[in-house]
Amino acid sequence: QQPVQSPQAVILREGEDAVINCSSSKALYSVHWYRQKHGEAPVFLMILLKGGEQKGHEKISASFNEKKQQSSLYLTASQLSYSGTYFCGAQTSYDKVIFGPGTSLSVIP
Amino acid sequence: EAQVTQNPRYLITVTGKKLTVTCSQNMNHEYMSWYRQDPGLGLRQIYYSMNVEVTDKGDVPEGYKVSRKEKRNFPLILESPSPNQTSLYFCASSAWTGGAFSGANVLTFGAGSRLTVL
Repeated sequence: QQPVQSPQAVILREGEDAVINCSSSKALYSVHWYRQKHGEAPVFLMILLKGGEQKGHEKISASFNEKKQQSSLYLTASQLSYSGTYFCGAQTSYDKVIFGPGTSLSVIP
Repeated sequence: EAQVTQNPRYLITVTGKKLTVTCSQNMNHEYMSWYRQDPGLGLRQIYYSMNVEVTDKGDVPEGYKVSRKEKRNFPLILESPSPNQTSLYFCASSAWTGGAFSGANVLTFGAGSRLTVL
């Protein structure tokens, strides 16, 4: 079952902040975050593991609430290059990651 | 350069004409997977493979076949394509350490294959 992402879409002005949320109805081993620019492949942003370990890009921050099966991606001081569709991937079993429907983020000057 | 290569990138075909989308990775990854992307539905997993000769169904496997005869290749086969298989397809690969996804298991995606079935 796909995780739920919110909001579905958001428009920001440069310099504004945004939060993208991801929630799962199943217990999570880990949460993955990827960004896809129009016409391109998804690109890795971050993995958050149970127990607090994280791996990802320095300028991206995220949280993972294991008890609530929720994760949030924090985009601060947004830049034009942040535009794209953000996918969360929920690892609910040892061998697969199920992606959410995506959140479209547009940053305008 | 470490990469996942898919071919063809674009294909228009007709209902019932068998086709294969190839996927090859040069990173010696154990794990490979196929996803389809449709508007509003995100990335849905079709099939995945944890190693040579080991494959399993994802969430939307109907109408697709896969094989993993070599570690680097994971072709997606549409035996009798139908219009509802018109989609953007992505292949992805990952290292597979410790028997489960971990912080090391970043998925690397191919550039995508846009398939239209008339």
